[in-house]
Amino acid sequence: KAGVTQTPRYLIKTRGQQVTLSCSPISGHRSVSWYQQTPGQGLQFLFEYFSETQRNKGNFPGRFSGRQFSNSRSEMNVSTLELGDSALYLCASSLVRQGLSNTGELFFGEGSRLTVL
Amino acid sequence: AQSVAQPEDQVNVAEGNPLTVKCTYSVSGNPYLFWYVQYPNRGLQFLLKYITGDNLVKGSYGFEAEFNKSQTSFHLKKPSALVSDSALYFCAVRDMIQAAGNKLTFGGGTRVLVKP
Repeated sequence: KAGVTQTPRYLIKTRGQQVTLSCSPISGHRSVSWYQQTPGQGLQFLFEYFSETQRNKGNFPGRFSGRQFSNSRSEMNVSTLELGDSALYLCASSLVRQGLSNTGELFFGEGSRLTVL
Repeated sequence: AQSVAQPEDQVNVAEGNPLTVKCTYSVSGNPYLFWYVQYPNRGLQFLLKYITGDNLVKGSYGFEAEFNKSQTSFHLKKPSALVSDSALYFCAVRDMIQAAGNKLTFGGGTRVLVKP
């Protein structure tokens, strides 16, 4: 079974630009979450999508947005990039059964490393 | 609000010696607890989880963790460390309430260095 696939793996942008990152979850997983990892702030939750709906959102400005498609693939977008957006962006998928307590672990992709110059 | 603390930034241990990585948590209800490991330039790999039941949880690569409700701790342990265990380890908590979805709150991470 293929794991979580994130593209691109590395990218360099300049301040003010925007970026779109893509995530393909494990087949059958309907929940996709995004996390930002930086040396200073550690791992921070961005948002989670389930069945094309945003189910949870972290404390990030509106420049950070996401969406999920009917095939569960997800994208996140960061507009008007700032230097502080340089980070490793991690996507994770999970098998979630509707209406049941969510005990499942997250499966993470390798991440997209964004450098903002 | 839930939180996770990993009090040690780095743990150094000799190969073959026991390894312990500490984690304490704070959550309003009963917790779901997880340990993940991250190797350089890689994503996070799941090691083990505590949901309910036995306080001692066994996971991948010979790791285990002990849940202690009274001390709100979930320390990761390995009886005999290997050089290949050198990596960054994260403890995480999810609130049992279903509305929490898949939001995990992570600790700051502990770097483990196993010396030959």
